[in-house]
Amino acid sequence: DQQVKQNSPSLSVQEGRISILNCDYTNSMFDYFLWYKKYPAEGPTFLISISSIKDKNEDGRFTVFLNKSAKHLSLHIVPSQPGDSAVYFCAASVVDNFNKFYFGSGTKLNVKP
Amino acid sequence: DAGVTQSPTHLIKTRGQQVTLRCSPISGHKSVSWYQQVLGQGPQFIFQYYEKEERGRGNFPDRFSARQFPNYSSELNVNALLLGDSALYLCASNRGSREIQYFGPGTRLLVL
Repeated sequence: DQQVKQNSPSLSVQEGRISILNCDYTNSMFDYFLWYKKYPAEGPTFLISISSIKDKNEDGRFTVFLNKSAKHLSLHIVPSQPGDSAVYFCAASVVDNFNKFYFGSGTKLNVKP
Repeated sequence: DAGVTQSPTHLIKTRGQQVTLRCSPISGHKSVSWYQQVLGQGPQFIFQYYEKEERGRGNFPDRFSARQFPNYSSELNVNALLLGDSALYLCASNRGSREIQYFGPGTRLLVL
């Protein structure tokens, strides 16, 4: 049951431009969303999160937007830097008794110098 | 503070064998979760333990089991290995439910 989907397996962006990574979900009970970044041979690293009571959250160059009616969230990186090149995963969770996160399949971002 | 550590980093086993993977959480973190990441996919939830009790289980067969020790470290055991068990196994820790999970570097398991 793929409840979190990232339909773009890869994205290539020029340095300095905006990167927009997209994520769709099907479970309307999801109320907490996160983005993780993963470099090869490392575990995923937390980037930014958003609660369903918000529609936007910013942290430096990273902004996450949540559209609950469309069950869609996006991560904007402005400006993109070569060091941002990595695989980005979105994840979602439901308020229940345990801490189960559902992950998308990831989008590989390549920022060209 | 040290991050989440996992051992071993790599492992090669043959079909039918058993494997034990280990995880040490960040100091102060009482919850440990295990994920399986197959190539080209995102991490899939296997187990969560909090205060040594199983709090959640994903859609994995009974060949997969885990436990958490009094010092909050954890082991993941997989019996009767299948070729399809080849994956990166990730451990994540946090203070409790709904907190950000911090991941270790993973153990890469290859089943031949």
